[in-house]
Amino acid sequence: ETGVTQSPTHLIKTRGQQVTLRCSSQSGHNTVSWYQQALGQGPQFIFQYYREEENGRGNFPPRFSGLQFPNYSSELNVNALELDDSALYLCASSLDRASSYEQYFGPGTRLTVT
Amino acid sequence: DQQVKQNSPSLSVQEGRISILNCDYTNSMFDYFLWYKKYPAEGPTFLISISSIKDKNEDGRFTVFLNKSAKHLSLHIVPSQPGDSAVYFCAASAWNDYKLSFGAGTTVTVRA
Repeated sequence: ETGVTQSPTHLIKTRGQQVTLRCSSQSGHNTVSWYQQALGQGPQFIFQYYREEENGRGNFPPRFSGLQFPNYSSELNVNALELDDSALYLCASSLDRASSYEQYFGPGTRLTVT
Repeated sequence: DQQVKQNSPSLSVQEGRISILNCDYTNSMFDYFLWYKKYPAEGPTFLISISSIKDKNEDGRFTVFLNKSAKHLSLHIVPSQPGDSAVYFCAASAWNDYKLSFGAGTTVTVRA
């Protein structure tokens, strides 16, 4: 059974640029959630995708967007990067929407915005 | 608006002794609570959970206690081992909700 994988591991971008982060969910899981973890804080929910549709969104601006593909892998896109977007971005998958509280996390992508 | 709070950023405990981690929440709609453990360069891994219909759940060395009236839960690790040194996150979810709300984490260091 393959766990949740994320790419890239690290990324450095300049303010104003755009970035795409990728996530492959655990085998058999159709629900993916994205979280932002700033330094010294806990993960903050960005949004969740279930069967290619957005299934809920946290308090993040529209420049944070996402996609889920038919194979349930997912992308997080951030436009017009700001310095405060520097954080660890975590992807988590769950078996389905009903069991969203049982989430399995990937290792994260460390994004640095300069 | 931080709905889940872990007020102790760090905890140092001697190997073999008990570690007690605390967590408070403000949202009365939360009905499922989880503890995650995180090592550096890894994602959080699920440790133990408890439903609001229970007040205690035990799994080996790990026990979680829930006090709904106080909106407080705690994680007990006994005995503590060096491999327990990690960041521990408390998380909560409301019924039929789609997200987990996390605390800021407590860094546990187990001294030999």
